[in-house]
Amino acid sequence: DSGVTQTPKHLITATGQRVTLRCSPRSGDLSVYWYQQSLDQGLQFLIQYYNGEERAKGNILERFSAQQFPDLHSELNLSSLELGDSALYFCASSVDGRGGSKQYFGPGTRLTVT
Amino acid sequence: SQQGEEDPQALSIQEGENATMNCSYKTSINNLQWYRQNSGRGLVHLILIRSNEREKHSGRLRVTLDTSKKSSSLLITASRAADTASYFCAFAMNRDDKIIFGKGTRLHILP
Repeated sequence: DSGVTQTPKHLITATGQRVTLRCSPRSGDLSVYWYQQSLDQGLQFLIQYYNGEERAKGNILERFSAQQFPDLHSELNLSSLELGDSALYFCASSVDGRGGSKQYFGPGTRLTVT
Repeated sequence: SQQGEEDPQALSIQEGENATMNCSYKTSINNLQWYRQNSGRGLVHLILIRSNEREKHSGRLRVTLDTSKKSSSLLITASRAADTASYFCAFAMNRDDKIIFGKGTRLHILP
């Protein structure tokens, strides 16, 4: 158990809908990362937060947004969902958010868009 | 693309044999990490090697780094069925940059 929790585990929704994925980092970790993993694209970095502020941005679509709250938990919002958004979404956390810090991954949320 | 490349994409070996996976990258890096992912699960950190290190060991794992060739290898000795998983290399280009993951090597240990 990495200490990172993600909810929900599974999510099935229809195209055009909006969902929110939630992540609680390991106790003491200040940085949160979001990744999307699909069969054809591999593991894609979406966005990183450090102590409530956006630290780095990856291949995140404009339909997606995220935030990190004062209690350090994070939410990833996906809107106007398309079939291609079906994937595993992972959250990870690290102590200091520096490049190359060891990351602890949550179990993921499997999103299926029908 | 900045993405790392693992080689091979997939590998099947008999239990007890050694497994070697390679990772190549294109830029200067601060450090390189290897992660394991069991099917459908989150990634688990295995080992980190800094750019000024050439080799590192952790149990049955041995990692090498050749910064002149921009490549790293992960060796798993005396493989076990439980080693069946996907293995990813990940690297950061500097201290404040994000980690970039490779596409992974799928390792299958045959009984």
